[in-house]
Amino acid sequence: DSGVTQTPKHLITATGQRVTLRCSPRSGDLSVYWYQQSLDQGLQFLIQYYNGEERAKGNILERFSAQQFPDLHSELNLSSLELGDSALYFCASSLGGTTGEQYFGPGTRLTVT
Amino acid sequence: GQSLEQPSEVTAVEGAIVQINCTYQTSGFYGLSWYQQHDGGAPTFLSYNALDGLEETGRFSSFLSRSDSYGYLLLQELQMKDSASYFCAVRASGGYQKVTFGTGTKLQVIP
Repeated sequence: DSGVTQTPKHLITATGQRVTLRCSPRSGDLSVYWYQQSLDQGLQFLIQYYNGEERAKGNILERFSAQQFPDLHSELNLSSLELGDSALYFCASSLGGTTGEQYFGPGTRLTVT
Repeated sequence: GQSLEQPSEVTAVEGAIVQINCTYQTSGFYGLSWYQQHDGGAPTFLSYNALDGLEETGRFSSFLSRSDSYGYLLLQELQMKDSASYFCAVRASGGYQKVTFGTGTKLQVIP
């Protein structure tokens, strides 16, 4: 158990809908990262927040957005969902902003039908 | 941009030693990380090289050579439970400081 929690574990929704994924980092960690993992794409970095502010940005679509709240939990919002958005979404946390040591949550499996 | 290349599959015998290579093209990064991921599970942090050289953590060691744009993960005394996918990863030190994961290596340990 990494100490990172993610909810929900599974999510099934229809195309065009909007969903919110939630992540709570390990106690004491200030950074939260979001990743997408699909079978043919590997692990794709989406975005990082550090102590409430956006710190790094990857290939995050404009339909996706994220934020980190004062209690350090984070939410990833996915809107206008498409079939291709079906994937595993992982959240990870780390103590610092640039450390290479990240701890991953169990993931949310999103299925868009 | 950044790219990290790894062999797609490696097979090794239980009790043996295996090396998983990671070659990269990136203009600048903080260090090289390694993660393990079992099928259906989440990535688990294994090792991080901020500087060139060897880092040892139990049965696992990791190496980085910035001048050669190369790193590797060494697994010793292989166990069946080591069968998993292994990823290298870097964080760019410039621009959007994007994190990039390698293509992943699926390790199969056989008796």
